[in-house]
Amino acid sequence: EVQLLESGGGLVQPGGSLRLSCAASGFTFSSYAVSWVRQAPGKGLEWVATISTSGTSTYYADSVKGRFTISRDNSKNTLYLQMNSLRAVDTAVYYCAKVFRSGYYCPFDYWGQGAPVTVSS
Amino acid sequence: DIQMTQSPSSLSASVGDRITITCRASQGISNFLAWYQQKPRKVPKLLIYAASTLQSGVPSRFSGSGSETDFTLTISSLQPEDVATYYCQKYNSAPWTFGQGTKVEIK
Repeated sequence: EVQLLESGGGLVQPGGSLRLSCAASGFTFSSYAVSWVRQAPGKGLEWVATISTSGTSTYYADSVKGRFTISRDNSKNTLYLQMNSLRAVDTAVYYCAKVFRSGYYCPFDYWGQGAPVTVSS
Repeated sequence: DIQMTQSPSSLSASVGDRITITCRASQGISNFLAWYQQKPRKVPKLLIYAASTLQSGVPSRFSGSGSETDFTLTISSLQPEDVATYYCQKYNSAPWTFGQGTKVEIK
């Protein structure tokens, strides 16, 4: 059974940093691109970042470029999102999601339960 | 970047009704279009990919159509368990943009 389990969410002050993790199981993690998607309270889904299978290619939404870094450790079956210079508008539930097939340009077929991040003083 | 615009933003219909949600891309995306269902307080679920291919396990009352810039999601006979917000998403290139969502309620 495919499972994605996020951790690391919490309350952080504006300008602070936080690192999210997503532990994957039930599939060959190293064979799939993975992504982060967020959802602000009462709002829609916003794609945040995607990373290739090897980690050599990364893609970011303009809203987080230069502040967030996506990475992965295939030996640990884990995806990360390092979030720096956090702003109130970054407050959201952050989901990790696995692409449907090999390659980047696929929809997301499995999602984690989400890690809540609140940026507030 | 390509923008994805859904309409309507919300709708209310009776059980058994046929409903249609539209998603428009600001540029052509071939058939690189997915639909997701997000029930209240739940994780998004992939319904349809490649514009019209039903994901495994999704009831046949759901269908998708379209190509390039205009896409539709149809529920042929609305059921109480279909109450949710539906999102389209393009995935032909970065960014993997979502539409703003369509909230479906039962009248």
